[in-house]
Amino acid sequence: GENVEQHPSTLSVQEGDSAVIKCTYSDSASNYFPWYKQELGKGPQLIIDIRSNVGEKKDQRIAVTLNKTAKHFSLHITETQPEDSAVYFCAAPGGRGNQGGKLIFGQGTELSVKP
Amino acid sequence: ETGVTQTPRHLVMGMTNKKSLKCEQHLGHNAMYWYKQSAKKPLELMFVYNFKEQTENNSVPSRFSPECPNSSHLFLHLHTLQPEDSALYLCASSQPTNTEAFFGQGTRLTVV
Repeated sequence: GENVEQHPSTLSVQEGDSAVIKCTYSDSASNYFPWYKQELGKGPQLIIDIRSNVGEKKDQRIAVTLNKTAKHFSLHITETQPEDSAVYFCAAPGGRGNQGGKLIFGQGTELSVKP
Repeated sequence: ETGVTQTPRHLVMGMTNKKSLKCEQHLGHNAMYWYKQSAKKPLELMFVYNFKEQTENNSVPSRFSPECPNSSHLFLHLHTLQPEDSALYLCASSQPTNTEAFFGQGTRLTVV
């Protein structure tokens, strides 16, 4: 089955700097890779996702890149702000069929943006 | 708001109690999921329901009993839990295809 590894587990940056979180996956058949942000006391919120037919996707200050050959994908946050502080999770489909909610999650990255 | 509502938000129960968690989605999705989130561990998929039918049980102990009466509602019935079952229980919904999943706020469960 799918296995997802996420690094780093904690990341501290200064406001305005960039933050990069990396994930690797094991199943070459996986074709959908979402990223979730979880703030304290809340459920995970989908912030961006990428499908395997593209190598990069951007949405304002966040971007995700995908390298299918190497089986890794990364989240990039530019011009970080204190409100970006949260735990970020990457995920990949769990099992055949790539059902959207049937996900294998990474271990999470606690991002802290210092003002 | 994600369109997925979980109640209660917090629950404290004794090991001999019986309680139920409720999840409701207003997104028109036909797939619903229960996840468990423990401290220092990744989210773990527990159950998958597609069109009200359970299609996956990830070796979850029988003291957790899910119920899906229709595509909009999902329950998790709890009985004789253990302290190690204390965690955040998250409900999610999606279409049963390769599309986005949306999570509720979760129920913070403490077993004493």
